Amino acid sequence: QKEVEQNSGPLSVPEGAIASLNCTYSDRGSQSFFWYRQYSGKSPELIMSIYSNGDKEDGRFTAQLNKASQYVSLLIRDSQPSDSATYLCAVISRYSTLTFGKGTMLLVSP
Amino acid sequence: GAVVSQHPSRVICKSGTSVKIECRSLDFQATTMFWYRQFPKQSLMLMATSNEGSKATYEQGVEKDKFLINHASLTLSTLTVTSAHPEDSSFYICSARSTRTREETQYFGPGTRLLVL
Repeated sequence: QKEVEQNSGPLSVPEGAIASLNCTYSDRGSQSFFWYRQYSGKSPELIMSIYSNGDKEDGRFTAQLNKASQYVSLLIRDSQPSDSATYLCAVISRYSTLTFGKGTMLLVSP
Repeated sequence: GAVVSQHPSRVICKSGTSVKIECRSLDFQATTMFWYRQFPKQSLMLMATSNEGSKATYEQGVEKDKFLINHASLTLSTLTVTSAHPEDSSFYICSARSTRTREETQYFGPGTRLLVL
């Protein structure tokens, strides 16, 4: 079983729509969760971190965590073409190892 | 805050030569730095974890004698690709974890693109 799973996509949404990116993880003892954005040819950039169950909002981004379901998601409101990138879910397990999912490619069309 | 730099950003070298890549945390101290490699259209692959003042921990399948890591200070880690070959051509990215907070966020450098001819 893969430790952090994401749908590879691409996820295509029109400009102005809500993009919903999902991630599941296998280690129930995980405590820290992150979303990174990676543009083609660039290194990952931290968008959000979340540690507690529930929602965490930052501008157009909302991270959602459900530890019982081992599920973390990222919502992007009012999607813009500049949001087109690969979004990486990352989880720190109980062993303090940061594990990345393979990423979901998001395409926002004008 | 939390800026990580890498140098060089791009390097082209001949097969058989060695290449050193520097990773610096500019505005924070990092007891732990990480080295990743990413091939085109593939996900990040952790190569090794570097702790200040101690030997690096390498992931399975990563040759420690080929990829030499030195973490001499709380703000600098270096990766040396020894006797580089064309198959080592890749995007090498470092990240650093701050000692300042209890959070375990990793901040990434901009990456170094290595091309071995």
